[in-house]
Amino acid sequence: GNSVTQMEGPVTLSEEAFLTINCTYTATGYPSLFWYVQYPGEGLQLLLKATKADDKGSNKGFEATYRKETTSFHLEKGSVQVSDSAVYFCALSNSGGGADGLTFGKGTHLIIQP
Amino acid sequence: EPEVTQTPSHQVTQMGQEVILRCVPISNHLYFYWYRQILGQKVEFLVSFYNNEISEKSEIFDDQFSVERPDGSNFTLKIRSTKLEDSAMYFCASSQLLGQGEKLFFGSGTQLSVL
Repeated sequence: GNSVTQMEGPVTLSEEAFLTINCTYTATGYPSLFWYVQYPGEGLQLLLKATKADDKGSNKGFEATYRKETTSFHLEKGSVQVSDSAVYFCALSNSGGGADGLTFGKGTHLIIQP
Repeated sequence: EPEVTQTPSHQVTQMGQEVILRCVPISNHLYFYWYRQILGQKVEFLVSFYNNEISEKSEIFDDQFSVERPDGSNFTLKIRSTKLEDSAMYFCASSQLLGQGEKLFFGSGTQLSVL
């Protein structure tokens, strides 16, 4: 079945540091890959996505590249801000037209210190 | 941006009691979902709903669970007889279309605590 594994948190960084949150997946076929973010007190929000191999999703300075050969979708940002503090979820969709939605990782809590 | 709204934000109940978690999806969306996250574990798919019936459900979604769209705006999750292990954050989500790369909009969740 489908599964997503992401690095355990919390991850604590100083402002302007480089960020990488690792995500690897197991799936049949060719899934779409997502990063969702949850800010304190809010719902999960789509941060970026990639729907095929070698696609790069990007948003708000975050990037992730769909790597089929390593089954990975690592999230990166060159210079983090305090406002990036949140929980980040890697997810995949392999519904192929079905309605079973997304398979999520456990989430990684990111803490950015000023 | 339009929002999915969930109420209450926190629900405390006694074991064996029935609970109803409420959600108002985005108005022009057609597909509705419930997910849950037990503390420290993954966000897990429970059920999807389209055209007034369940489309898919996971192994977690047993006979104790039911979903309903009682009117044109609400989407509810009912747990008939709660167990301690039902304690979790429950997320409602909706999407306009169905597809592999389709964006889901999530609510902020209801934290259910079963005592």
